[in-house]
Amino acid sequence: GENVEQHPSTLSVQEGDSAVIKCTYSDSASNYFPWYKQELGKGPQLIIDIRSNVGEKKDQRIAVTLNKTAKHFSLHITETQPEDSAVYFCAPYNYGQNFVFGPGTRLSVLP
Amino acid sequence: EAGVTQFPSHSVIEKGQTVTLRCDPISGHDNLYWYRRVMGKEIKFLLHFVKESKQDESGMPNNRFLAERTGGTYSTLKVQPAELEDSGVYFCASSRDRGGISPLHFGNGTRLTVT
Repeated sequence: GENVEQHPSTLSVQEGDSAVIKCTYSDSASNYFPWYKQELGKGPQLIIDIRSNVGEKKDQRIAVTLNKTAKHFSLHITETQPEDSAVYFCAPYNYGQNFVFGPGTRLSVLP
Repeated sequence: EAGVTQFPSHSVIEKGQTVTLRCDPISGHDNLYWYRRVMGKEIKFLLHFVKESKQDESGMPNNRFLAERTGGTYSTLKVQPAELEDSGVYFCASSRDRGGISPLHFGNGTRLTVT
């Protein structure tokens, strides 16, 4: 089965700085790479995703980059704000299987 | 459109009791998933419905867990009898197409505490 790791497990940044979270996976057949944000008391919410035929995707302050050869993809948040504080999960996906979530990264943005 | 709704939001029960969790997916979403997060660890897959049929239930931990989706609309997840290790947050998610084609939409979860 798919093994998914995230680094770091916790991350604290000053407001306005950038944050990068890396997700490594084991299944080379994975072809869809989403990132979810979970705020306290809420369910995970999809914030950005990328497919295997694309190397990078950007949506305002967030971006995802994919390295299929090395089997990792990363979430980049620029100009962080306090409302970015949450737990972030990656969930690499192989069609025909089911989503396997990473262990999560707790991001704290300090004012 | 209304999001995925889950009831109850919290449940505290004693070991040996029964609890039933409910999930109402987004209207028109044929795919419904149950996940749980135990002790702040990773979110783990439990099972996947396509309409009323169980597509994959490989993540169900044991036969104390029973999921149903009669009529292909809402789903229930029953735990009977509950054990201490069942404590955690149970999430339901739905998608129009199979995950990976269209995004998963999660509910806010049911926090289950077994004492």
